[in-house]
Amino acid sequence: NAGVMQNPRHLVRRRGQEARLRCSPMKGHSHVYWYRQLPEEGLKFMVYLQKENIIDESGMPKERFSAEFPKEGPSILRIQQVVRGDSAAYFCASSPAPLTWKANTEAFFGQGTRLTVV
Amino acid sequence: TQLLEQSPQFLSIQEGENLTVYCNSSSVFSSLQWYRQEPGEGPVLLVTVVTGGEVKKLKRLTFQFGDARKDSSLHITAAQPGDTGLYLCAGYGQNFVFGPGTRLSVLP
Repeated sequence: NAGVMQNPRHLVRRRGQEARLRCSPMKGHSHVYWYRQLPEEGLKFMVYLQKENIIDESGMPKERFSAEFPKEGPSILRIQQVVRGDSAAYFCASSPAPLTWKANTEAFFGQGTRLTVV
Repeated sequence: TQLLEQSPQFLSIQEGENLTVYCNSSSVFSSLQWYRQEPGEGPVLLVTVVTGGEVKKLKRLTFQFGDARKDSSLHITAAQPGDTGLYLCAGYGQNFVFGPGTRLSVLP
């Protein structure tokens, strides 16, 4: 059973370009979470998706950022008109059930995509 | 908003020493998880603590969940260079949140 796959591992974009980050969850997992990590910092929650639905996007900037998890294919985190401040490592995690306070469920993380905006 | 704080932020010790890192919150969590993240990699789950007062051992690592379920600690005995990494605690609040982490460096 392959783990959470993220690609690309490294992405360089010029200011104003678009960045597309892909995340394929583990087989059988329908819950996907995106986090952003700046150097020397912890992980900041961005968005939680379940197949075809955005459940919680409270951590995602309202402008330029969007996420989707279609019925078929990977989850995509899209950043339009990137700026230097978007440079960070973006991690995706998946779980077989929601990470709610009622559940004792493990989230499995991918290796991340390191976005550099030049 | 449920927030997690971790201390110390940085810790550098010699191989063979013992250490404890802490995860604290002003809110109650039904469970807390500890992850370790190595440079260039994603976090990997070490343990989940669920019951107040619970102690779990994983080889040289001992995890404790506070009685009030607001805090947790991770104790490492006889640290080794392979223990070097970022140790993160996480729990479910409004969403699944992480503490800022403790960056541990074990020097040979």
